Amino acid sequence: KQEVTQIPAALSVPEGENLVLNCSFTDSAIYNLQWFRQDPGKGLTSLLLIQSSQREQTSGRLNASLDKSSGRSTLYIAASQPGDSATYLCAVPSGYSTLTFGKGTMLLVSP
Amino acid sequence: DVKVTQSSRYLVKRTGEKVFLECVQDMDHENMFWYRQDPGLGLRLIYFSYDVKMKEKGDIPEGYSVSREKKERFSLILESASTNQTSMYLCASTPGGVATSTDTQYFGPGTRLTVL
Repeated sequence: KQEVTQIPAALSVPEGENLVLNCSFTDSAIYNLQWFRQDPGKGLTSLLLIQSSQREQTSGRLNASLDKSSGRSTLYIAASQPGDSATYLCAVPSGYSTLTFGKGTMLLVSP
Repeated sequence: DVKVTQSSRYLVKRTGEKVFLECVQDMDHENMFWYRQDPGLGLRLIYFSYDVKMKEKGDIPEGYSVSREKKERFSLILESASTNQTSMYLCASTPGGVATSTDTQYFGPGTRLTVL
């Protein structure tokens, strides 16, 4: 059964820092990996989707990488801002259109 | 833009009550999902549906049932609510048929259910 682990569970940084969030998965036979953002008490918003044929995907200050062979993905956030404070979750396919999620990294960016 | 709506943001019910959580999507998606989210446990899949009147159990279906009478609406039913079903419930949908490498899930805002 696919398992997804995210490290660290929580992260606190001052505004302006570059940071990396980590995601690892046990079964490398995936066709994509997604990163989501969740604000407190809200639903999830898709940030980036990396197909298995890609190694990176970028959106603004966010860059996600995927290394299927090692079962790892990273989400890089450049020049962090207080508005980036949220929980970030990664997810991989686990069956018929279903996803397995990590437990998330709670990020706090202080002014 | 895809929109997924859930009938209530906050709900308070008593033990033993029958509870209905409604989810509606407006993009003609075939696949719909119900998750619950708990601190320390993350998101766990309760049920999903890949077509009208079709349903599949997820990882934690016990104590829940679902209904999909129309393509755009997917309901989660707690037949007899219990305190351990206090949680955040999230609905999601994806475009239809066999999953592709570009499919993402679109989430609703969530329903915070408290069972007293």
